[in-house]
Amino acid sequence: NAGVMQNPRHLVRRRGQEARLRCSPMKGHSHVYWYRQLPEEGLKFMVYLQKENIIDESGMPKERFSAEFPKEGPSILRIQQVVRGDSAAYFCASSPTDAGNYEQYFGPGTRLTVT
Amino acid sequence: DAKTTQPPSMDCAEGRAANLPCNHSTISGNEYVYWYRQIHSQGPQYIIHGLKNNETNEMASLIITEDRKSSTLILPHATLRDTAVYYCIVRVAGGATNKLIFGTGTLLAVQP
Repeated sequence: NAGVMQNPRHLVRRRGQEARLRCSPMKGHSHVYWYRQLPEEGLKFMVYLQKENIIDESGMPKERFSAEFPKEGPSILRIQQVVRGDSAAYFCASSPTDAGNYEQYFGPGTRLTVT
Repeated sequence: DAKTTQPPSMDCAEGRAANLPCNHSTISGNEYVYWYRQIHSQGPQYIIHGLKNNETNEMASLIITEDRKSSTLILPHATLRDTAVYYCIVRVAGGATNKLIFGTGTLLAVQP
């Protein structure tokens, strides 16, 4: 059973460009979470999605950031007009739908560098 | 979610047991204790979780005190590959949001 997949693993963008980060959850998982880890800092929750629904976006910056998890295909975290402060590791996690089984399984992350 | 307190760093000799403490004195009755770890530059890895009974799996054991105000994660035979930041997190399982709130964790350094 393949784990959570994220691509690209490394992404370089110039200031003002758009960044698209993709996350494919584990097979059978329909809950996806995005976390951000700034350099030398801890992991911070950004957004929690189920298929076609945003459940909790309390950690998302108010501007330039958006996330989706369509019925088909991976979850996408989109950052518009990137700035240097967006440089970070972005981790996606997924969890299964079984009631009472709420461990989150993390992907390897996408390291975004804004130049 | 309740706040947790962990020592910032610990050392352990290879082959010995690593005992990582966590205080969660404000934990609620319906909150679980979860442990994750993050090996350098990798995604966090789930280790174990429990409510009030001690738990054991192939990776570790979790000992929760009777009053649930603290817990200890035990790696029975630490190896160099167990060097990582270990996070103790308390959260309601199955709540309206399943987000994990990571603190600063404990950096465990396993020494040869």
